[in-house]
Amino acid sequence: DAGITQSPRHKVTETGTPVTLRCHQTENHRYMYWYRQDPGHGLRLIHYSYGVKDTDKGEVSDGYSVSRSKTEDFLLTLESATSSQTSVYFCAISESRGNYEQYFGPGTRLTVT
Amino acid sequence: AQSVTQLGSHVSVSEGALVLLRCNYSSSVPPYLFWYVQYPNQGLQLLLKYTTGATLVKGINGFEAEFKKSETSFHLTKPSAHMSDAAEYFCAVTPTGTASKLTFGTGTRLQVTL
Repeated sequence: DAGITQSPRHKVTETGTPVTLRCHQTENHRYMYWYRQDPGHGLRLIHYSYGVKDTDKGEVSDGYSVSRSKTEDFLLTLESATSSQTSVYFCAISESRGNYEQYFGPGTRLTVT
Repeated sequence: AQSVTQLGSHVSVSEGALVLLRCNYSSSVPPYLFWYVQYPNQGLQLLLKYTTGATLVKGINGFEAEFKKSETSFHLTKPSAHMSDAAEYFCAVTPTGTASKLTFGTGTRLQVTL
């Protein structure tokens, strides 16, 4: 299995509070991604990174920001959590632009009350 | 832009029966296509992928899929279902020549009954 960890694995937070989710990889892969998974929607891309300090938006980026200061870490921040951001969040990595296979972390279940 | 349609959010088969999970895609350029499986409370695991070459691709756990350009389909099959195949399956597409951003279908939950 690819070396991807996510922390925390579960979190309950209140509306309006900031939340940061962490993805850590030991594979030295260039690309990293954040997805959210919701029933009936499959997985939707929030943000992705194609290198240190290089990030771009996905299809559902509103309300989220990301940072990547090191190859191995990709942080997802909800500046002010809302109930609509209750979801399961997955991090994924891929090796290079020519290899489109993505490896997924175990997920973080976030509940915003 | 690309998109993926998975027909049937739930599919139920008997153990030993054929598994057929349908996936149709839309892409303005030649696609790379993937099937992922998700077991309860786990992340996604790659089953198989089509990039170039042979259109019939074999994956793990006895699954295979055939890329049919004329039908814009990439259906997943397995000749004989096993109880351990019960999971959710996702089809995904990414266009070649671009950054590797996958577009996923909404998933099909496979139930296997005795």
